[in-house]
Amino acid sequence: EIVLTQSPGTLSLSPGERATLSCRASQSISSSYLAWYQQKLGQAPRLLMYGASTRATGIPDRFSGSGSGTDFTLTISRLEPEDFAVYFCQQYGSSPYTFGQGTKLEIK
Amino acid sequence: EVQLVQSGAEVKKPGESLKISCQGSGYKFANYWIAWVRQTPGKGLEWMGVIYPDDSDTRYSPSFQGQVTISADESLNTAYLQWSSLKASDTAMYYCARERGHGKRWFDPWGQGTLVTVSS
Repeated sequence: EIVLTQSPGTLSLSPGERATLSCRASQSISSSYLAWYQQKLGQAPRLLMYGASTRATGIPDRFSGSGSGTDFTLTISRLEPEDFAVYFCQQYGSSPYTFGQGTKLEIK
Repeated sequence: EVQLVQSGAEVKKPGESLKISCQGSGYKFANYWIAWVRQTPGKGLEWMGVIYPDDSDTRYSPSFQGQVTISADESLNTAYLQWSSLKASDTAMYYCARERGHGKRWFDPWGQGTLVTVSS
């Protein structure tokens, strides 16, 4: 099974700053089959990106995704107060589909 | 609006059985896969398995094969996750989520979650 490792575990930033979240896979993910989710406290995860770089419906363009193979990045260009949450990556190229352990984005 | 609505929280004793549900609306339920995902503080998010309601084609993660049963009733637009004998280690939040199938197995949307607590 593909293991996804996210870094950092916690990222402390201020509104208006740029956030860069990393997701590294233990083996290459075929066809960039990688998704990103946002989860706020007490809520279900919400899809942000799929195909590594395609924004889901309704996701603002301050969110962007990049990467291929084993290294992927989620970037939030200018943090808004509502962006502080936990972010997960997920690979769907190889069953069983697996998730990273999450990056908590907190207000500095 | 595409929506998945899950059944309410459950508190059970070890050894008891349980079946939780996930009802879809706003789309043709039969033609999209429904996945189940477990979330715990210790192991995070874990994909358990998936079902295609149209023909009940079901796939399980090796970690959950034999531990749970996934089923669906197309006429009720509802998918199910069941246990025959719960363990304390089954305590978790369980989510259902829609996926589109081969090459498009991201999860969107998710149900609101069902909290299962197993305690003597």
